[in-house]
This record gives sequence, structure tokens and C-alpha cells, in this order.
Amino acid sequence: EAGVAQSPRYKIIEKRQSVAFWCNPISGHATLYWYQQILGQGPKLLIQFQNNGVVDDSQLPKDRFSAERLKGVDSTLKIQPAKLEDSAVYLCASSLGGTSGSGDTQYFGPGTRLTVL
Amino acid sequence: AQTVTQSQPEMSVQEAETVTLSCTYDTSENNYYLFWYKQPPSRQMILVIRQEAYKQQNATENRFSVNFQKAAKSFSLKISDSQLGDTAMYFCAFHPSGTYKYIFGTGTRLKVLA
Repeated sequence: EAGVAQSPRYKIIEKRQSVAFWCNPISGHATLYWYQQILGQGPKLLIQFQNNGVVDDSQLPKDRFSAERLKGVDSTLKIQPAKLEDSAVYLCASSLGGTSGSGDTQYFGPGTRLTVL
Repeated sequence: AQTVTQSQPEMSVQEAETVTLSCTYDTSENNYYLFWYKQPPSRQMILVIRQEAYKQQNATENRFSVNFQKAAKSFSLKISDSQLGDTAMYFCAFHPSGTYKYIFGTGTRLKVLA
């Protein structure tokens, strides 16, 4: 079974530039998550999709971050414009279930390490 | 606010020994799930063990077991017969039932020494 794929693995940009990350979840997984993991901290959930609908984006800085999930499969996360404090690893995860709060196991991708200079 | 606290930033253990990683959480919820995830160096995060709060029996997965104390809001992970491959960051996570929230602790870096 193929795991969660993410690209690119690394990205270095200047502040105020734009950047986009791509995620392909495990086939058949209804729920997709984007996390931000700043060095020395635990992952922070940015946004969660069930199929192609957003179910929680309460911690997404919507003035600069946006995300979409196309046809309930792949997802992209965009930052525009980037700030220094956006330097982090961006993790994508997916889980099988389509029901909230069911405690499904999340399967994580390798992450994209973003450095903003 | 719901929080997860891992009070041990770093730990080390000798190969074949036993180590316990601590995790406490703060919530007013009665139904929830708790997880331990492992993030090896430069590799992706994987689930180690999962506990449902309504189950009193502690979860076990081979060499990994938890001590779940609901009243104390404590969820520690015990690794028996530690192996070099157990070297990783370990994150405790909390998920209230019926919500979309997942809250992670700051992690414990475990190093297994040969």
C-alpha cells in the first residue's frame, strides 16, 4: 500500500514570496490533514478535510494561508506571502474514516521543510 | 483550553532496558482518544499505540504499553527491551470524540544507547 506522498521535500524562499505544497493521501482515505511543525514543537493542525469539504480550519492563518482538496483526493497548501515565522515542516496526513471524532489512525507523509529567509 | 504536556524534552536509555515517557493532558471531556506517535530522524511519523478513554484496559503493542490514568489525566508510554531503532521523537496526542481536534504535545526525544 502506497503511503502519503508530499512534494517538494524541501523549499527555500525569500519572505513575501509565495509557495505551494502538494499532498497525495492514501487511496480511499476520506480525511486529510495539514499540520505545521515548528522546530522544537509538536505538530499543530492547520486544516482538516473530509472528502473535498473543509471541516476545521480554525488554526489556519487565512490572511496568508489557503488550502484546497481537489475531487476529494489530492490537496495543496499555499502560503502567500510568506513570513519568517512560517519556517517549519508542513506535514500532511490522511485517515480512513469520514466521521468526526472517531479516533482514526492518521498516516503521515514525510513532510515539506520550508525555510523562509 | 485543552492541552497536552510532555515534561521530558530528552531522555536516554540503554539498549534492552525499559524506559517510560510521560504525558499529561487537560480536558473537561469524558470521551476521547489518546495516541503515541513516533517520528524517527528524517523519517515520517507513525502510530505507536492508541487508547480509547472509555476502555479501562491499558493498550499494548508488542514492546510498547501505556499506563492510562483517566482521573489523573495521565498517559505514559513504556518501552520494554529498548532497541536502537526506537531512537526517535515521541509525541503524545489527544483527540476529543465527536470533534475534529487533534492536539499534540511538544515531544520527547528518546535516544537508545548501544
